[in-house]
Amino acid sequence: DVKVTQSSRYLVKRTGEKVFLECVQDMDHENMFWYRQDPGLGLRLIYFSYDVKMKEKGDIPEGYSVSREKKERFSLILESASTNQTSMYLCAIRQGVTEAFFGQGTRLTVV
Amino acid sequence: GNSVTQMEGPVTLSEEAFLTINCTYTATGYPSLFWYVQYPGEGLQLLLKATKADDKGSNKGFEATYRKETTSFHLEKGSVQVSDSAVYFCALNPPAGTALIFGKGTTLSVSS
Repeated sequence: DVKVTQSSRYLVKRTGEKVFLECVQDMDHENMFWYRQDPGLGLRLIYFSYDVKMKEKGDIPEGYSVSREKKERFSLILESASTNQTSMYLCAIRQGVTEAFFGQGTRLTVV
Repeated sequence: GNSVTQMEGPVTLSEEAFLTINCTYTATGYPSLFWYVQYPGEGLQLLLKATKADDKGSNKGFEATYRKETTSFHLEKGSVQVSDSAVYFCALNPPAGTALIFGKGTTLSVSS
């Protein structure tokens, strides 16, 4: 079974804090993605990575950065959390043009 | 550009009713198409997929046929169960792309 593990299911942070969301895979897939999910807006791509130390901006990268130092781990960083970043964050992995596999999601609340 | 449009929800049905969730797409070339399902509090799981025109994907009683002429990939199930209550996402893989493009999701609620 494919495993995509996100470090937290629920997180509460204060405005202005630096926040790290971690995603780890056990499948050796090249591509890793971060999406955010909001009611009525569906899934929106924040960033993705196609290799170690490589990254590409998605549709809504503002206020976020990412890090991929090892193939199995992809981190999403909120440099200075704001209330409009309260959302569900989903990590996904993909090899080539096959289907994507998702983690269980992290529900982040910024207060 | 590439995009996916799916019917707005919520869709509310009684157990054993017939389900259709419409999905149409815009894409250059011939994308692969997917349906994902998200149960409450979970991430997304692949439900079914189709990689070329006229392919039919099926799983757990759900079906969808890749229709190039109408650029559609509608999800159907003949008899829904309470356990099918979830959010359903249609998605495409652009021929030259890496990231899947998702529709906004359709919430299905099935009552007994």
